[in-house]
Amino acid sequence: GAVVSQHPSRVICKSGTSVKIECRSLDFQATTMFWYRQFPKQSLMLMATSNEGSKATYEQGVEKDKFLINHASLTLSTLTVTSAHPEDSSFYICSATGTGRYQQYFGPGTRLTVT
Amino acid sequence: AQKVTQAQTEISVVEKEDVTLDCVYETRDTTYYLFWYKQPPSGELVFLIRRNSFDEQNEISGRYSWNFQKSTSSFNFTITASQVVDSAVYFCAQKTGANNLFFGTGTRLTVIP
Repeated sequence: GAVVSQHPSRVICKSGTSVKIECRSLDFQATTMFWYRQFPKQSLMLMATSNEGSKATYEQGVEKDKFLINHASLTLSTLTVTSAHPEDSSFYICSATGTGRYQQYFGPGTRLTVT
Repeated sequence: AQKVTQAQTEISVVEKEDVTLDCVYETRDTTYYLFWYKQPPSGELVFLIRRNSFDEQNEISGRYSWNFQKSTSSFNFTITASQVVDSAVYFCAQKTGANNLFFGTGTRLTVIP
């Protein structure tokens, strides 16, 4: 199977600080990784798509300077929420896919709470 | 444009009842994929099924079954003899070509013991 991990699973931070979330594909090369955000009782909304070695493509309305995405290797992508505010509190989920794979494999998610 | 509609926001059933979760999709592409995911309270998405647009054969997996009807653009999901462990939010999703997954708004299923 294809396994994707995320770290941390939960994080609480103070307003104004930055938080980094890691997404790793454990047993396959993730040529493309996706970052989603899910507010309580809502659907998953795609934030950005990143291809290994390239700049991420952000969805409309997502601030690229606030949500920094790095996909420097075929097994790791990071999302950094800069100067976090309470409204950034959400469940962040990454997914990954690789060459020849027809589906995305999802990580377990990271619950961010900004106080 | 892609669109996935899950009209049922919340459903409650008593244990052992059958329940069907509806999913209607829109796309102009002839090649596409449809998915169902389960999201239990822990939050992790659990992949249930993937169907491509050329395969209308219905599928059964244990207590789960899926009815794909291209004529009505629907991909409904039925759980027979529901159990408390089936309580979760279920998402239908669509993917066309190189496009990303597009999720419906989800249906929250509560199975009452």
